[in-house]
Amino acid sequence: AQSVTQLGSHVSVSEGALVLLRCNYSSSVPPYLFWYVQYPNQGLQLLLKYTSAATLVKGINGFEAEFKKSETSFHLTKPSAHMSDAAEYFCAVSAGGYQKVTFGTGTKLQVIP
Amino acid sequence: EADIYQTPRYLVIGTGKKITLECSQTMGHDKMYWYQQDPGMELHLIHYSYGVNSTEKGDLSSESTVSRIRTEHFPLTLESARPSHTSQYLCASSEEGTAETQYFGPGTRLLVL
Repeated sequence: AQSVTQLGSHVSVSEGALVLLRCNYSSSVPPYLFWYVQYPNQGLQLLLKYTSAATLVKGINGFEAEFKKSETSFHLTKPSAHMSDAAEYFCAVSAGGYQKVTFGTGTKLQVIP
Repeated sequence: EADIYQTPRYLVIGTGKKITLECSQTMGHDKMYWYQQDPGMELHLIHYSYGVNSTEKGDLSSESTVSRIRTEHFPLTLESARPSHTSQYLCASSEEGTAETQYFGPGTRLLVL
């Protein structure tokens, strides 16, 4: 069984401030972990993914996430928020292969000018 | 340009009508998925396919049906729409492999009156 928990359905940050979106996972096997972003009226787009190589994963648009096995976490960060980062972010987990992907409930990021 | 398309983008229909949501991808992916997305909730997998003539039900019980006659086409049909079917429907595809990225269409927002 696998699951993800995203802490905080809404997060607000000021433009230029640090972005931190939290994700904790549960998996009975070593997981593959993903962050997707969804802009209004669009589908989801991959930001980054962890595939058991480097624990610090860099993605698009300046985002990165760190896999911490001891904490079962895969938090998403960006040093300086931009107005264009306002969107909904989804964490997801998979056991790989033909196993399905389980998505979290999403976190809406608001960036305040 | 490789992409995934969904039509219509928005649909308002009356109860009891039969509808088909279209999904097509030009990436040659064997795996395709349909998700249901409601505000504040995780994406629910309702159907998936691993190739032509392969269809499976997902985790969320759905009264819809799908078909996969061609690799690029994965339509979803509701024989008799009900207000409980009101939701956003996202189509996605992915290539073969481990921890493969899913590519999402823009979604169809359905309102059943």
